[in-house]
Amino acid sequence: DQQVKQNSPSLSVQEGRISILNCDYTNSMFDYFLWYKKYPAEGPTFLISISSIKDKNEDGRFTVFLNKSAKHLSLHIVPSQPGDSAVYFCAASSSYQKVTFGIGTKLQVIP
Amino acid sequence: EPEVTQTPSHQVTQMGQEVILRCVPISNHLYFYWYRQILGQKVEFLVSFYNNEISEKSEIFDDQFSVERPDGSNFTLKIRSTKLEDSAMYFCASSGDPGNTIYFGEGSWLTVV
Repeated sequence: DQQVKQNSPSLSVQEGRISILNCDYTNSMFDYFLWYKKYPAEGPTFLISISSIKDKNEDGRFTVFLNKSAKHLSLHIVPSQPGDSAVYFCAASSSYQKVTFGIGTKLQVIP
Repeated sequence: EPEVTQTPSHQVTQMGQEVILRCVPISNHLYFYWYRQILGQKVEFLVSFYNNEISEKSEIFDDQFSVERPDGSNFTLKIRSTKLEDSAMYFCASSGDPGNTIYFGEGSWLTVV
C-alpha cells in the first residue's frame, strides 16, 4: 500500500534552471511532510518540511508547496546546482506516528 | 551539529549468523527508529522505540529482529539467523518528537552471503 507516491523515478535539469519534484499521498491523516536528500551509500539527509497548516515553506533555494485538497506536494529547487544531484525522498507522517517514505526521485543536474 | 552515528558501516555475514547493528542517536532525542533500504527499493520502516519499549513495528520486523537500548546511549538492532534477503542498508534515526523530523545516521550496509 503506497501511501506516499513519487511517480517520477528520475529527472534531469540544466544547471541554473528550476527543479520540480512531485509527490502525492493517499492518507488524509498525514499532517507533516518532509523532503530528504540522499547520496549513494549515505543516510537520508533532512532537507525541508511543512506542516499541514501551511501551504508553502521556503528555505534558501528550496521551497515546498502543499496542496491538501489534491493531496499533493512539490519541492522546488531554484537555481539548481550540480551538487543537488541526488535521490530525493518525499516523506509524510501523522501525529505520533512513523514517517513513511516514497520510493524516491533521482535528480540529475547537468552542468 | 549533532548527528546519529552507526557502526559498522559495512558488515558481511554468513547466512544463519546473528548480526548486531549499533547506533548512537542524537543525545537529547527520545524517539528512535530503524529503517532499511534494500538496493534499488524504497526506504522501509522497521521499528520505532520510545521509553524503553517498541512503540510501533512493521510486518518486516518479525521475531528474527529485536531492538535494545542497553546503556542509555546506544540503540541496537539485532538480526538473528540472517537470511539472504536481509541484505540491505540499515538506517538508524532519532527524533525529539514523534511524527516530527527524524534524523538519520549514515547507515550500516549488511551483506548476507
